[in-house]
Amino acid sequence: GAGVSQTPSNKVTEKGKYVELRCDPISGHTALYWYRQSLGQGPEFLIYFQGTGAADDSGLPNDRFFAVRPEGSVSTLKIQRTERGDSAVYLCASSLSRDRGTEAFFGQGTRLTVV
Amino acid sequence: AQKITQTQPGMFVQEKEAVTLDCTYDTSDQSYGLFWYKQPSSGEMIFLIYQGSYDEQNATEGRYSLNFQKARKSANLVISASQLGDSAMYFCAMRDYSGSEKLVFGKGTKLTVNP
Repeated sequence: GAGVSQTPSNKVTEKGKYVELRCDPISGHTALYWYRQSLGQGPEFLIYFQGTGAADDSGLPNDRFFAVRPEGSVSTLKIQRTERGDSAVYLCASSLSRDRGTEAFFGQGTRLTVV
Repeated sequence: AQKITQTQPGMFVQEKEAVTLDCTYDTSDQSYGLFWYKQPSSGEMIFLIYQGSYDEQNATEGRYSLNFQKARKSANLVISASQLGDSAMYFCAMRDYSGSEKLVFGKGTKLTVNP
């Protein structure tokens, strides 16, 4: 596809369950970002990949959150033992390189609701 | 640490008039980039404009221009000739090029264009 694809678009899960959110970046984009956006707030940084490695995971709120990008393209954000406070829109973005001025392109997001 | 401050939770403008959305930033780095994104009610994040810290001229992209005042650490977005379709959330974001290069967002400003 031409843009960043995120699946599922919506996910409802019960408290305590495990969820996986998938991001398929634009082909050839080496940088990949995960953000969390709560209602009425700006996107909150979670983790940034350059290629296969996590260049910065300082935004992950706790050890229930984990993300991988094993082949340098698709990434999966994994949340264990979900809590109601994890409910938010999870946004993924990718960019072509680390070059200055290279904008990040965002997916439509996954709306996660923990009940 | 990087920080973006957007002090206007909401702004109103009449159609065809210009509007300025404020953004101030904080960083100890000399090399960084500033971005503005638009988020309509549909939720997608749309890149608008970029300004590099070493760019001497203010960036312009069509009806969007960035009023960059480095000494004041401000990067205000100016939208000229507002259109009804400009009604959306607007986010200022920053990436520094000497650290992790993560993109950090402000809380956003909700712009409403009145007919």
